[in-house]
Amino acid sequence: AQTVTQSQPEMSVQEAETVTLSCTYDTSENNYYLFWYKQPPSRQMILVIRQEAYKQQNATENRFSVNFQKAAKSFSLKISDSQLGDTAMYFCAFLTGNQFYFGTGTSLTVIP
Amino acid sequence: EPEVTQTPSHQVTQMGQEVILRCVPISNHLYFYWYRQILGQKVEFLVSFYNNEISEKSEIFDDQFSVERPDGSNFTLKIRSTKLEDSAMYFCASSELAGRGSGELFFGEGSRLTVL
Repeated sequence: AQTVTQSQPEMSVQEAETVTLSCTYDTSENNYYLFWYKQPPSRQMILVIRQEAYKQQNATENRFSVNFQKAAKSFSLKISDSQLGDTAMYFCAFLTGNQFYFGTGTSLTVIP
Repeated sequence: EPEVTQTPSHQVTQMGQEVILRCVPISNHLYFYWYRQILGQKVEFLVSFYNNEISEKSEIFDDQFSVERPDGSNFTLKIRSTKLEDSAMYFCASSELAGRGSGELFFGEGSRLTVL
């Protein structure tokens, strides 16, 4: 069975500071994709960053980067220089085949 | 920028009533999905749809649920006889490619269903 666990239901960070959101997953697959999606209040989910499991290099997208530890099945998201617009629910997701599995989400609040 | 649109944004219905949630996926996308999120819980996969048929469905997607693409643009989710536990946010998503070649889903803003 594929599972995704986000152990931090809520987090907060001061504007301009760095925050790390954790995610672990469980799978017997060897080839898969991992994602972080962001859901601002009353808005649709949008893709933040994607990581292919076969790539050892951690993905980065501007202020967003991941720490992908395949052996540990860990996929954390680091947000640098946090901005007020980063306030949102963040979902870690796992794709195998044609089906996504999502975690329960981490609600991040950026404090001015 | 193209986006997935969903209607209604919020629907309140009585238990036992039929509900249809509508979605307009991005026009060149081929794969369509419905997910739901019960308040405070994780986003759960319901069904995927490709080439006018269901390609995968979860245990949640029982006989009370159905999907169709009636006119080449809309993608609908029908709940035949709603139950209290169907109250959730329902997200439609689409993707250009499926599975290992892609990975990016584009989500709509969701339709909140409240069953009384």
